[in-house]
Amino acid sequence: NAGVTQTPKFQVLKTGQSMTLQCAQDMNHEYMSWYRQDPGMGLRLIHYSVGAGITDQGEVPNGYNVSRSTTEDFPLRLLSAAPSQTSVYFCASSRLQDAQGYEQYFGPGTRLTVT
Amino acid sequence: GENVEQHPSTLSVQEGDSAVIKCTYSDSASNYFPWYKQELGKGPQLIIDIRSNVGEKKDQRIAVTLNKTAKHFSLHITETQPEDSAVYFCAPPAAGANNLFFGTGTRLTVIP
Repeated sequence: NAGVTQTPKFQVLKTGQSMTLQCAQDMNHEYMSWYRQDPGMGLRLIHYSVGAGITDQGEVPNGYNVSRSTTEDFPLRLLSAAPSQTSVYFCASSRLQDAQGYEQYFGPGTRLTVT
Repeated sequence: GENVEQHPSTLSVQEGDSAVIKCTYSDSASNYFPWYKQELGKGPQLIIDIRSNVGEKKDQRIAVTLNKTAKHFSLHITETQPEDSAVYFCAPPAAGANNLFFGTGTRLTVIP
């Protein structure tokens, strides 16, 4: 099992450019999510999905779009990059929560710089 | 969502000493309390978790204790080793949900 994979590892964009961060998992997890991590802060939720065809907004969704056409893939699109989107982006997946709570598996991250 | 506070923000200990990190949360219905470790350049990884029907859980040198009345849970690392140096996050989800609410992290440095 590869677990959660993310591409690219590093990316530099100019203000106004668009791009897609890729995320894939091979654990057949229903739940997938995107977080951003800024210096000195914890991870903040951008968007999440509880299954194919279902997405919802997290804490900081502005400027980002997602779609979930398959169980395995959950791409994050930056529509018009801004310097405030300079961050490290993490994708995560897990089994869908019931009363118990499940481990979330994180990818290695994408370091994005917007100039 | 959850309001999560984590203390201290940095912690330095001598190798072999113990380290304790505390996390407070706001949602009294929360029932799942995980701790994640993030090494430099990597994504967070779950190291230990506890459910609300248990007061303490131990796994070798790490343990988590839960005080539901006071709404806080703590990570305890004993006999610290240099490889324990990392950033640790508490990340309780809201009750019945998958979305994690991360604390601001504790940078632990173990001095050889």
